[in-house]
Amino acid sequence: DADVTQTPRNRITKTGKRIMLECSQTKGHDRMYWYRQDPGLGLRLIYYSFDVKDINKGEISDGYSVSRQAQAKFSLSLESAIPNQTALYFCATSDFRRDTGELFFGEGSRLTVL
Amino acid sequence: AQSVTQPDIHITVSEGASLELRCNYSYGATPYLFWYVQSPGQGLQLLLKYFSGDTLVQGIKGFEAEFKRSQSSFNLRKPSVHWSDAAEYFCAVASTGGFKTIFGAGTRLFVKA
Repeated sequence: DADVTQTPRNRITKTGKRIMLECSQTKGHDRMYWYRQDPGLGLRLIYYSFDVKDINKGEISDGYSVSRQAQAKFSLSLESAIPNQTALYFCATSDFRRDTGELFFGEGSRLTVL
Repeated sequence: AQSVTQPDIHITVSEGASLELRCNYSYGATPYLFWYVQSPGQGLQLLLKYFSGDTLVQGIKGFEAEFKRSQSSFNLRKPSVHWSDAAEYFCAVASTGGFKTIFGAGTRLFVKA
């Protein structure tokens, strides 16, 4: 089983719909992240969380919200999806105790907004 | 502003040929430097990382990278490419503490027989 699991892997939705992408991890890491990948732009940070009570905006947080339900779970929500939010979304984790900066990624959630 | 530049959007090499992927960064302090690989339909996997010490670092799958402070570069190399190396490669930079990692736009590698 994957250490970082994202659901759903693929989702097609319509403009204006609410969408939630879920991420769970079994690595025991305290830090969790949501990134968005667009062709030619690399990965951009949406939100990050250092623990359950600490959530921070990243580079491109507008139009998104997150919830850290537990140390192992970090969800990304699009309250009213729009077509330019069509992208590949990645959840990632890192281990503060080791402080290496290495990120561990899920397999991605491909979202298409029509 | 912190940034990572990968000048080559895509590169095609023949199987067995050598490979060098370029990466330049702009960062105020000594950063943590990374190369990640993304195979089709997969998440990103760490190839190698540099924090300090020896400027030539070895990674998985036969890859290596060299940190050159004077050139603000961290180029990835492999002496002999295999067809399974076809993927997208991302250079990244992070602060101490590792959060807010900044990624380059990526270089897609094609391998021809």
